[in-house]
Amino acid sequence: DTAVSQTPKYLVTQMGNDKSIKCEQNLGHDTMYWYKQDSKKFLKIMFSYNNKELIINETVPNRFSPKSPDKAHLNLHINSLELGDSAVYFCASSTPGQLNTEAFFGQGTRLTVV
Amino acid sequence: AQSVSQHNHHVILSEAASLELGCNYSYGGTVNLFWYVQYPGQHLQLLLKYFSGDPLVKGIKGFEAEFIKSKFSFNLRKPSVQWSDTAEYFCAVIGGNTDKLIFGTGTRLQVFP
Repeated sequence: DTAVSQTPKYLVTQMGNDKSIKCEQNLGHDTMYWYKQDSKKFLKIMFSYNNKELIINETVPNRFSPKSPDKAHLNLHINSLELGDSAVYFCASSTPGQLNTEAFFGQGTRLTVV
Repeated sequence: AQSVSQHNHHVILSEAASLELGCNYSYGGTVNLFWYVQYPGQHLQLLLKYFSGDPLVKGIKGFEAEFIKSKFSFNLRKPSVQWSDTAEYFCAVIGGNTDKLIFGTGTRLQVFP
């Protein structure tokens, strides 16, 4: 039983292409996140959705567009990919504010732009 | 705005040495605090968490952390590290009224046999 699943695990694509990464959680959590982990292992929050509504949008280029069709899914679409977008992207989910909650992370998607 | 600082960027230890990784946060209200571990090539896994109650929390694999409110700190400790503890360690915080889980910059721990 995978709690937070992301697809694909690896993604290699050329500059200028458009690509999507999908994320699904079966934990019943209200909040989902996208994080970017760069080559130095820095984890930076990109977006957060609560019950399909965008609540956090950090300084991310508008080429990145998250979409949440329902609270169990948060997909990330990236237009006009650039070399600097190469990173590992992690999806996570949680229900902040509830006792004993924590964020569960997906396995990550390693995006390589060539 | 909430933030998290990890001052140890890279720690190298021999097996059986004791470990303490520093974590300081900046947030004026109630916080929930976490330590996550990322083994090479893997995703983040929760080591331990603090929400309320006893400020000394015990996690998996012999790790513990102490919440010191007056110092805004949540340092991670382990009395005797093992080679298998080699990983990246991330401190994280959620401010009481936000949904924003913020991570520190991480500490790379290398343990040599």
